[in-house]
Amino acid sequence: ETGVTQTPRHLVMGMTNKKSLKCEQHLGHNAMYWYKQSAKKPLELMFVYSLEERVENNSVPSRFSPECPNSSHLFLHLHTLQPEDSALYLCASTMTGENYGYTFGSGTRLTVV
Amino acid sequence: GDSVTQMEGPVTLSEEAFLTINCTYTATGYPSLFWYVQYPGEGLQLLLKATKADDKGSNKGFEATYRKETTSFHLEKGSVQVSDSAVYFCALTNTNAGKSTFGDGTTLTVKP
Repeated sequence: ETGVTQTPRHLVMGMTNKKSLKCEQHLGHNAMYWYKQSAKKPLELMFVYSLEERVENNSVPSRFSPECPNSSHLFLHLHTLQPEDSALYLCASTMTGENYGYTFGSGTRLTVV
Repeated sequence: GDSVTQMEGPVTLSEEAFLTINCTYTATGYPSLFWYVQYPGEGLQLLLKATKADDKGSNKGFEATYRKETTSFHLEKGSVQVSDSAVYFCALTNTNAGKSTFGDGTTLTVKP
């Protein structure tokens, strides 16, 4: 399969639940990103992984925990979320230094109840 | 730091109208510039790009020219269709880390 695949597409979770979002790419890219997209707000960069090392964490609350076990997979572990965390979570990947631009997944629409 | 400023939306046009969405940027060095499109319920898709001054990116009838003198990368299309209704994001990449800076997005609605 080509492109960036995110699962699940939709997720509803309670504030006390623990869930994980998954992102997978087989494009040979060496950098992966998590973004949060809320209604009527700009894209928010959450985490950057380059060569499987986390290189950026933009003051994201600890209830969001990323994991990058290898260059093809990226996870976002969620626990004790708040209703304001409801949003579209987008994963993206690229090859650094090659001006490819990003390849985005279709996103996970998260609703916290 | 780097920044991207896009024309505020929403933009509403009739089918076959001419489209311009303005984008200006602030960056050090020589960034690469991109336009992405996001259709409802989907992630962003790369629409076109330009990697150096005076380059023109084009795809699906959309065009944008990298203007270093005016630090701009305006998106244009000669005749829009209803299917072009989407949110359009301008972005730049300025480092070997590959991190991009995105504009806030401009919502385009095309009416029949």
